[in-house]
Amino acid sequence: ILNVEQSPQSLHVQEGDSTNFTCSFPSSNFYALHWYRWETAKSPEALFVMTLNGDEKKKGRISATLNTKEGYSYLYIKGSQPEDSATYLCAPSDLSNQGGKLIFGQGTELSVKP
Amino acid sequence: DAGVIQSPRHEVTEMGQEVTLRCKLISGHNSLFWYRQTMMRGLELLIYFNNNVPIDDSGMPEDRFSAKMPNASFSTLKIQPSEPRDSAVYFCASSLGPGPRDSPLHFGNGTRLTVT
Repeated sequence: ILNVEQSPQSLHVQEGDSTNFTCSFPSSNFYALHWYRWETAKSPEALFVMTLNGDEKKKGRISATLNTKEGYSYLYIKGSQPEDSATYLCAPSDLSNQGGKLIFGQGTELSVKP
Repeated sequence: DAGVIQSPRHEVTEMGQEVTLRCKLISGHNSLFWYRQTMMRGLELLIYFNNNVPIDDSGMPEDRFSAKMPNASFSTLKIQPSEPRDSAVYFCASSLGPGPRDSPLHFGNGTRLTVT
């Protein structure tokens, strides 16, 4: 079973601050890594699907990097806005069971104050 | 596209009763995942299917839980008999393609189950 750790657990920042979170996972047999954004009272929404070591993906002010050799991914938010407040989840999978078993971390809860 | 549709949104039942949760996949998607969200364990994978075939059900808590895909666009998760510790939000998600390298998960709105 994959052991997924996300840090920090929660983060409180001011509007305009840039921030980043970490997702750590076992590096052996890596298959894919997903990032999701989960707003309160809604469902998780996909941000990125990452598969290759060194991948960098960007969507607006949010970007992510992937290091499969050392088993971590970073999510960056540039110039945080109050609407960025949400829980950010990462979910890696390994090569077992056709690679389909996405295991979610506990998430990083971001709160952006105006 | 209407997205992944789950029903009911809320279910309150008494211990010992049978509960059936339903999920309609996005048209054309061929992978289906059932997750359970609790405060203690976060989002926990129960089972996933690819092309209607269960690939991994190791997350299903015990024999009281069963999941089926009677056709390519529909799935059910059944709990019989239900217990108070089954109270949680149950999410269904679908994706296009055989694995997570291909596409992200699209989640339904969830079913909040309360077993008294």
